[in-house]
Amino acid sequence: SQTIHQWPATLVQPVGSPLSLECTVEGTSNPNLYWYRQAAGRGLQLLFYSVGIGQISSEVPQNLSASRPQDRQFILSSKKLLLSDSGFYLCACKQGLLSPLHFGNGTRLTVT
Amino acid sequence: LAKTTQPISMDSYEGQEVNITCSHNNIATNDYITWYQQFPSQGPRFIIQGYKTKVTNEVASLFIPADRKSSTLSLPRVSLSDTAVYYCLVGDPERPGSSNTGKLIFGQGTTLQVKP
Repeated sequence: SQTIHQWPATLVQPVGSPLSLECTVEGTSNPNLYWYRQAAGRGLQLLFYSVGIGQISSEVPQNLSASRPQDRQFILSSKKLLLSDSGFYLCACKQGLLSPLHFGNGTRLTVT
Repeated sequence: LAKTTQPISMDSYEGQEVNITCSHNNIATNDYITWYQQFPSQGPRFIIQGYKTKVTNEVASLFIPADRKSSTLSLPRVSLSDTAVYYCLVGDPERPGSSNTGKLIFGQGTTLQVKP
């Protein structure tokens, strides 16, 4: 079965600092990969999804970007964090027809 | 994209059956319906998936009427540990013609509060 690794679990960063969150997947190949963000008390917002290496689709503008340098690696980045970037970031994986999404344990980001 | 609409919140008591309905009026012919459960500070977890009629597993049942414009998640005899947010999701990126091709967008979800 698939295992999704996300790190770090928590992160506190000052406004204007860069960000790099990494997600790696085990137990599958050529999955669809997703980054979601959840603000406090809110629903899940899709940020990026990828159907293959180097293929990134963005659902939000602003100062976030994503990359998929390897089949099972998905990276979320920012050059300069904003206060509004605070939230719970979740990486998810989907493999195959009718398979459900599998989520990692998330990263709690607080921008101060 | 097939947009979903759910009640924002529901209350129940331990031991009761809970039914949460999701509306998806523009569901595509090839779309499947999937439900997830999310506890605080955790990623959502798959509960059940179906296409039509009724599906049952060890934790829940999913009822889908013939027109497929809605679906109902049924949780039998809830306990305090079932307090969570429940999301329905429509589509499948792997299936051509899906209304959610390539991306999976969650609705607002339903916050279920189970009381003792």
